[in-house]
Amino acid sequence: DAGVTQSPTHLIKTRGQQVTLRCSPKSGHDTVSWYQQALGQGPQFIFQYYEEEERQRGNFPDRFSGHQFPNYSSELNVNALLLGDSALYLCASSWGKGRFNYGYTFGSGTRLTVV
Amino acid sequence: AQSVTQLGSHVSVSEGALVLLRCNYSSSVPPYLFWYVQYPNQGLQLLLKYTSAATLVKGINGFEAEFKKSETSFHLTKPSAHMSDAAEYFCAVSDLRAAGNKLTFGGGTRVLVKP
Repeated sequence: DAGVTQSPTHLIKTRGQQVTLRCSPKSGHDTVSWYQQALGQGPQFIFQYYEEEERQRGNFPDRFSGHQFPNYSSELNVNALLLGDSALYLCASSWGKGRFNYGYTFGSGTRLTVV
Repeated sequence: AQSVTQLGSHVSVSEGALVLLRCNYSSSVPPYLFWYVQYPNQGLQLLLKYTSAATLVKGINGFEAEFKKSETSFHLTKPSAHMSDAAEYFCAVSDLRAAGNKLTFGGGTRVLVKP
């Protein structure tokens, strides 16, 4: 049973460009969350998608947007890239409704470098 | 709002010695608490979680953590360190009531195991 799959694993972009990162959740999971982990820091919550809608959002600018597809996979888009967007982007999938969302499974991440 | 503080960004232990990683949280509602481990160039792996059942939680790889409400702490321990425990460890808190159940992480503690 495949876990959470993220692509690509590494990416180098130039300032001002746009990037799309992709995530396939674990089988049976219907919720996808995205986190940004800067070097030497803990992951920071970007947003979460459930039933193809953004359910919750962290403190990130509108340059960060996302989408969830009917098959529960998700994309994270970042526009007008800044050097400070360089980070490991983690996708986490989970299952459950309402409060009981016990099981987050994380992917290995996409390492984005902005030059 | 919730927050997590991990005391000590780096911890060095000898192989066979006790591992103790400290985590204090802040939450206005009963929390879910988690410990994750991250190996180099990998995503996050769940070690254990507290979900308001037993206050002493046992996890994988011989780790355990104790929830102490009066101290707002959730420290992680392992009686005898192994070389394979060298990694970064993150404590995280989640809000039971929020539909999004986002995770709020601490800054992490990097563990070095000396032979």
